[in-house]
Amino acid sequence: ETGVTQSPTHLIKTRGQQVTLRCSSQSGHNTVSWYQQALGQGPQFIFQYYREEENGRGNFPPRFSGLQFPNYSSELNVNALELDDSALYLCASSLRGRGTEAFFGQGTRLTVV
Amino acid sequence: AQTVTQSQPEMSVQEAETVTLSCTYDTSESNYYLFWYKQPPSRQMILVIRQEAYKQQNATENRFSVNFQKAAKSFSLKISDSQLGDTAMYFCAFMKSFFGNEKLTFGTGTRLTIIP
Repeated sequence: ETGVTQSPTHLIKTRGQQVTLRCSSQSGHNTVSWYQQALGQGPQFIFQYYREEENGRGNFPPRFSGLQFPNYSSELNVNALELDDSALYLCASSLRGRGTEAFFGQGTRLTVV
Repeated sequence: AQTVTQSQPEMSVQEAETVTLSCTYDTSESNYYLFWYKQPPSRQMILVIRQEAYKQQNATENRFSVNFQKAAKSFSLKISDSQLGDTAMYFCAFMKSFFGNEKLTFGTGTRLTIIP
């Protein structure tokens, strides 16, 4: 197993609510990326954080936002939840560089009803 | 924008046999990285193998090897002596090569089942 942990593992929210997902990076890693994996699909890049600043964003609306803390842990926040936000959310940590390996957590399964 | 295509949604093979998973990609970049990730039922993505585009030699990791054809933009994964623990979803992924970019572009995956 990697040293990347995510919480919670599962949660159910109602449409219109807000949710916060959390990720603890592997020791020594300074970059965190978040991915959304819809059922039967590959992960889609949401955004990346380095030194507490967003450092790249995929094709996701502003209601998807994040934070990175001084200890390199991270949060993903989603406002005004929609049914299509139901997915597995994966966090990956890495050491900033070129072509470096990303280490993934086990994900948070979000269901919006 | 980069795209990654995996044309085999599902595959199955007998234990101890060899299986090859296909991946093609499209990019205008000249230098980049390619990866194969494994996602077992535990959901955690695990790196299987990594290839740097400027290296002509195909990467190998124990029973796993790739056939990287840069001109054809093809990156297939060969699993030799397949084991029950190889049962998982396999994703091909692309990453541009510049410092500070860790964005991965994934394909849709291939579900591999190893039959006892």
